[in-house]
Amino acid sequence: GENVEQHPSTLSVQEGDSAVIKCTYSDSASNYFPWYKQELGKRPQLIIDIRSNVGEKKDQRIAVTLNKTAKHFSLHITETQPEDSAVYFCSNNFNKFYFGSGTKLNVKP
Amino acid sequence: DSGVTQTPKHLITATGQRVTLRCSPRSGDLSVYWYQQSLDQGLQFLIQYYNGEERAKGNILERFSAQQFPDLHSELNLSSLELGDSALYFCASSVYLGTAPGGNEQFFGPGTRLTVL
Repeated sequence: GENVEQHPSTLSVQEGDSAVIKCTYSDSASNYFPWYKQELGKRPQLIIDIRSNVGEKKDQRIAVTLNKTAKHFSLHITETQPEDSAVYFCSNNFNKFYFGSGTKLNVKP
Repeated sequence: DSGVTQTPKHLITATGQRVTLRCSPRSGDLSVYWYQQSLDQGLQFLIQYYNGEERAKGNILERFSAQQFPDLHSELNLSSLELGDSALYFCASSVYLGTAPGGNEQFFGPGTRLTVL
């Protein structure tokens, strides 16, 4: 979307390695930053989110960091597993939800 | 299962035709969002309704329109269909407005796959 840029578009890692996906946004008023995972042919599902009053949030192998000054946020997946293979979308909320263009993550066994 | 339902699952139609996609939000959710996802593309926000009123508009074509009814279900109408309208259309719902302090989680339906021949 025009409000948020996501990199990289594809990411291939070996099982057990870490994966990092980065997004930048332009609207400083954004206050909610969810990440969605979409498996092939399925609906996007929320995996983690962070609000603007928090700098980092962790849920087991998944973590998200937010730098409001630099206007970027990142998704970190540690100890990747083949079932982590999917497309990941970042999103931010300012009046409407903007989505990044997606990162296709491939975890090789 | 997210609790959001969409019908139909698949729709095949011809260019120039008009179709209606339907979405029922989760029980208690007042906001409904529509998204378009073309093949291997990201999610394009189309439009949002809150409690029956239009709240935000994204990249929605003039040939497309939507509404949310008193029972909170929503319909997306696509007219004068073109080949490029073929896509997966998702509906999502959330409890509050997207602009509520701190924002809120969206739950996506399974999508309607539209094929225009």
